[in-house]
Amino acid sequence: DAGVTQSPTHLIKTRGQQVTLRCSPKSGHDTVSWYQQALGQGPQFIFQYYEEEERQRGNFPDRFSGHQFPNYSSELNVNALLLGDSALYLCASKGRGGQDYGYTFGSGTRLTVV
Amino acid sequence: AQSVSQHNHHVILSEAASLELGCNYSYGGTVNLFWYVQYPGQHLQLLLKYFSGDPLVKGIKGFEAEFIKSKFSFNLRKPSVQWSDTAEYFCAVNLGYSSASKIIFGSGTRLSIRP
Repeated sequence: DAGVTQSPTHLIKTRGQQVTLRCSPKSGHDTVSWYQQALGQGPQFIFQYYEEEERQRGNFPDRFSGHQFPNYSSELNVNALLLGDSALYLCASKGRGGQDYGYTFGSGTRLTVV
Repeated sequence: AQSVSQHNHHVILSEAASLELGCNYSYGGTVNLFWYVQYPGQHLQLLLKYFSGDPLVKGIKGFEAEFIKSKFSFNLRKPSVQWSDTAEYFCAVNLGYSSASKIIFGSGTRLSIRP
């Protein structure tokens, strides 16, 4: 059990469609980050949410947007899907402050764009 | 821009062989360093982490890593690998000025262990 829950586990979408992925952080965690992991590559940082605001953003276009809810859960939205958006999307959470810099990762959502 | 380089894309070893996976990062300031492992079909798991102090860090499952600041390196080692160590290994870094800093990952090293 990863402690971080992501849904759905798999998803197939058509080019041009929109998709929403969901993440519930580990209990006690309030910071959520999203990563894209293309096949054969390391995870790439998309953005991070804390206190319901986007705090940091990686090099991803505005088609990628997100949201964090008061219960710390988060959504990742991707508009106008491209074939190149096919990847494993990972959610990671951490607690506030302290010296624990280690994020806990979910098992991911496998998105296939056809 | 900060980056993480992993030198080996695919490493193949026999059981009981010793392992060393290379990792270098590019950033001149304070960093926190991590090694994550991804077993087939499973989520990323933290193997070990370095924040400060003793540069030799012990992790789970017999893994260790050494932080050499002068070389900007954080190589992962294990004296004797097992078949169950077959997985993808990712070196990662986040900048030490904030606990909320994003994590930057290397491209990963696939480790295959021959029984």
